[in-house]
Amino acid sequence: AQSVAQPEDQVNVAEGNPLTVKCTYSVSGNPYLFWYVQYPNRGLQFLLKYITGDNLVKGSYGFEAEFNKSQTSFHLKKPSALVSDSALYFCAVRDGPAAGNKLTFGGGTRVLVKP
Amino acid sequence: GAVVSQHPSRVICKSGTSVKIECRSLDFQATTMFWYRQFPKQSLMLMATSNEGSKATYEQGVEKDKFLINHASLTLSTLTVTSAHPEDSSFYICSVVGQAGNTIYFGEGSWLTVV
Repeated sequence: AQSVAQPEDQVNVAEGNPLTVKCTYSVSGNPYLFWYVQYPNRGLQFLLKYITGDNLVKGSYGFEAEFNKSQTSFHLKKPSALVSDSALYFCAVRDGPAAGNKLTFGGGTRVLVKP
Repeated sequence: GAVVSQHPSRVICKSGTSVKIECRSLDFQATTMFWYRQFPKQSLMLMATSNEGSKATYEQGVEKDKFLINHASLTLSTLTVTSAHPEDSSFYICSVVGQAGNTIYFGEGSWLTVV
């Protein structure tokens, strides 16, 4: 069975400082990894994904994530955080098509960027 | 623009009544859609996989007679909460697998409050 762990419930960072949101995963085969952001009372917005290729993935709004196979991690990063980045972030892993393309989510990490 | 549309965004219903939530794929045909449930400050839990032209596949512990899913066309899936109870109050989100098969898009979610 696949699983995702986000070890931090909340991350606080000052505006302009680097932001990192941690994610580790467990899958039996090759992972399809995703990051989503959720603003209050809204659905999930896609940030980026790793399917194959370069380990460093660049996504929306200046976010990037690094796939590390040996550490089974897919941490989300942003070099300079904005107050508007304050939101709930979810890491997710997906089965391949043969298993139904289901997403398994981590518990979420709340990011608070202070001015 | 939005790829997935959900309606209504908020609904209040009386205990014992049924309520329907619609999920529409706007940009492409979707043979598969997913329904998730999210409690406040918690992660998303997959409820069921909606398959066009066939029965939905429910996750373990989800009552299929209570959460009726109909996927009558390639762009529309509906979730009907039957005989709603206050404990059914939650945020319901649908998702669609993109045409390339690698990205999963989410609707804006529907808040259900049962009074």
